[in-house]
Amino acid sequence: NAGVTQTPKFRVLKTGQSMTLLCAQDMNHEYMYWYRQDPGMGLRLIHYSVGEGTTAKGEVPDGYNVSRLKKQNFLLGLESAAPSQTSVYFCASSYNWGNEQFFGPGTRLTVL
Amino acid sequence: GESVGLHLPTLSVQEGDNSIINCAYSNSASDYFIWYKQESGKGPQFIIDIRSNMDKRQGQRVTVLLNKTVKHLSLQIAATQPGDSAVYFCAWGVGYIPTFGRGTSLIVHP
Repeated sequence: NAGVTQTPKFRVLKTGQSMTLLCAQDMNHEYMYWYRQDPGMGLRLIHYSVGEGTTAKGEVPDGYNVSRLKKQNFLLGLESAAPSQTSVYFCASSYNWGNEQFFGPGTRLTVL
Repeated sequence: GESVGLHLPTLSVQEGDNSIINCAYSNSASDYFIWYKQESGKGPQFIIDIRSNMDKRQGQRVTVLLNKTVKHLSLQIAATQPGDSAVYFCAWGVGYIPTFGRGTSLIVHP
């Protein structure tokens, strides 16, 4: 099993550009999450999904959109990137809420 | 990656010592608590969890203690090894959304 995979691993954007981060999991997990991690800070939840076709806002959703069209995939979109969105983005999945989350390797995004 | 550790509390220990990493959580209604380890350049990895109806749980070389009275969680690592060097996060929650602490950087000197 590959676990949780993320693409791309690195990306540099200019202010105003758009992009989509892809997360895939092969563990048949219902729950999927997108976090951002900034230096010296814990993980902050952007959006999450409790099943195929559902999404919900987390702690810091502004500037991001998500979609969960297939159970195994969770997409994070930036419509108009801003320098404040420079961060490392992690996707995670879990079997149920309250259970351990399995994290992907992260995407390092820089917005110039 | 390595930038995760900037400005975090740091614990330095010698190889073979026992390490204790502490976490103060904010939500007294939390019913689950999880410790994660994050090595440089990687995503967090599950270590151990505990539910609110317990006050201690042991794993392989690790023990988690929960004190709900003072909202405090600790992770004890026995016989710390250089491979234990990483940032350790606690997470707590009730329902769908966990909250993550800022993390503690553990440095193990050979």
